[in-house]
Amino acid sequence: DAKTTQPNSMESNEEEPVHLPCNHSTISGTDYIHWYRQLPSQGPEYVIHGLTSNVNNRMASLAIAEDRKSSTLILHRATLRDAAVYYCILRDVYADKLIFGTGTRLQVFP
Amino acid sequence: DGGITQSPKYLFRKEGQNVTLSCEQNLNHDAMYWYRQDPGQGLRLIYYSQIVNDFQKGDIAEGYSVSREKKESFPLTVTSAQKNPTAFYLCASSILLSGANVLTFGAGSRLTVL
Repeated sequence: DAKTTQPNSMESNEEEPVHLPCNHSTISGTDYIHWYRQLPSQGPEYVIHGLTSNVNNRMASLAIAEDRKSSTLILHRATLRDAAVYYCILRDVYADKLIFGTGTRLQVFP
Repeated sequence: DGGITQSPKYLFRKEGQNVTLSCEQNLNHDAMYWYRQDPGQGLRLIYYSQIVNDFQKGDIAEGYSVSREKKESFPLTVTSAQKNPTAFYLCASSILLSGANVLTFGAGSRLTVL
């Protein structure tokens, strides 16, 4: 599986946009970019995924670099409930499992 | 509402005892997974199953066993052979969405060995 690199932690103030970076320089053409987040003492929840084009949903936006070697998860207005560990994961379209790294711990301050 | 139910939420076990963690889903998902999470760490894959009566080892399968007799159920047994079983255990299932498999997780089971 191709690896991802994320900062260990980031901070934001409430109601400000947050940009969470992820580097994946060894990504292959069939790797999807997935983002999950995990709130304290809970199971992870799906946030968003994409292949080549930028993606938007009700939770966040995913901006994918043109060469696909990096991506950014964008939370448009952070809330206290967005404080969580965010995982960026690559998964081949033909793969049958998802491998998690250690993620980025996002702190949101009022 | 559809979802994944894990039980028990908290479990205490004496050393040398086997324990089984339950995972049930009513999402009609074909694939199911078990992950282990240690404090401050990411998730590590224990076992996964793509279809009924079939399962594969993940990265840390030693000391664990699973069965998949029904589509809805994927129980995990932590055996006495698992040297350090105290951890947070997460069950998930997946569905194909926009070309990619998206996982839905349960709330987890926290196992403590006394």
